[in-house]
Amino acid sequence: DSGVTQTPKHLITATGQRVTLRCSPRSGDLSVYWYQQSLDQGLQFLIQYYNGEERAKGNILERFSAQQFPDLHSELNLSSLELGDSALYFCASSVRGWLSTDTQYFGPGTRLTVL
Amino acid sequence: EDQVTQSPEALRLQEGESSSLNCSYTVSGLRGLFWYRQDPGKGPEFLFTLYSAGEEKEKERLKATLTKKESFLHITAPKPEDSATYLCAVQANASGGSYIPTFGRGTSLIVHP
Repeated sequence: DSGVTQTPKHLITATGQRVTLRCSPRSGDLSVYWYQQSLDQGLQFLIQYYNGEERAKGNILERFSAQQFPDLHSELNLSSLELGDSALYFCASSVRGWLSTDTQYFGPGTRLTVL
Repeated sequence: EDQVTQSPEALRLQEGESSSLNCSYTVSGLRGLFWYRQDPGKGPEFLFTLYSAGEEKEKERLKATLTKKESFLHITAPKPEDSATYLCAVQANASGGSYIPTFGRGTSLIVHP
């Protein structure tokens, strides 16, 4: 158990809908990262938050957004869902991840299925 | 652009048959190399961090080594429970202060009893 929690474990929804994925980092970790993993793309970095502020962006679609709250938990919002958004979504956290290299610890993931 | 290539893509071993997985990288200014184990449908589980060429780390049947161009994950006398996908990731240049790792596609290992 990494100490990173994610809810829900599974999510099944229809095209065009909007969903919210939630992540709680390890106790004491300030950075949260979101990744998407699909069979044909591997693990793709989406976005990083450090202590409530967005710090790095990867290949995140405009239909996707995220935020980190004062208690450091984070939410990833996916809207106007398409079939191709079906994937595993992982959250990871690290102690700092800002101006330092840190090991990232991953949560168990949310499996999103868009029908 | 940072590149991470893992080989082989898939590996089948008999229980007790030792082997190595390779992670070759092309980055400017390596800050850290990470190995993770991932079981199907689960999140990557952290195994090792290596920071400089010549460094080695061990954990049970696994040993990770690092050179200036590649890293190896050696598996000694593997057991069926070692079956998983092993991911390699590198942290190099910072993007505005953040060191976001680049992940390889992984090596899928199956150990037969």
